[in-house]
Amino acid sequence: ETGVTQSPTHLIKTRGQQVTLRCSSQSGHNTVSWYQQALGQGPQFIFQYYREEENGRGNFPPRFSGLQFPNYSSELNVNALELDDSALYLCASSGAQDTQYFGPGTRLTVL
Amino acid sequence: AQKVTQAQTEISVVEKEDVTLDCVYETRDTTYYLFWYKQPPSGELVFLIRRNSFDEQNEISGRYSWNFQKSTSSFNFTITASQVVDSAVYFCALSEAPTDKLIFGTGTRLQVFP
Repeated sequence: ETGVTQSPTHLIKTRGQQVTLRCSSQSGHNTVSWYQQALGQGPQFIFQYYREEENGRGNFPPRFSGLQFPNYSSELNVNALELDDSALYLCASSGAQDTQYFGPGTRLTVL
Repeated sequence: AQKVTQAQTEISVVEKEDVTLDCVYETRDTTYYLFWYKQPPSGELVFLIRRNSFDEQNEISGRYSWNFQKSTSSFNFTITASQVVDSAVYFCALSEAPTDKLIFGTGTRLQVFP
């Protein structure tokens, strides 16, 4: 069984740029959730996708957007990057109302 | 509002000591789930346990045990005979319906010294 994978592992961008992060869900899972983890903090929920539709959103501005594809993989897009967007971005996949299993994360640095 | 509090920021122990990580939660829901995840230096969150609000039975898995008490809204995690490989940040989390989004505490960094 393949676990959750994320790409890229690390990314460096400058303020104002746009970034796309990718996540492949675990086999058999149809739900993907994205979290932002700032240094020294717990992860914060960004949004969740279920069967290609957004299924809930945390307290993040509209410049954070996402997609889920028919194979249940997902993308997180962030426009107009700000310095505070520097964080570890974690993707988790799950079956319906089931335990979320996390990928290794993408560490984004905004300069 | 739902909230998870992990009051212990950092704990240091010597190998073979027992250690308990505290977790207190707040929720108005009658049905909810509680979780513990481990985050080693690599960054990946590793699932340890999920417990639903109707099951207050304590659980033991090897050196790990969990004590769930609804009366005090606590879900504490004990590692018996700690090992250096247990060194990590441990997060307690609460799931919120209907999306089951996870609300995390701020984590407890555990350092186990040889």
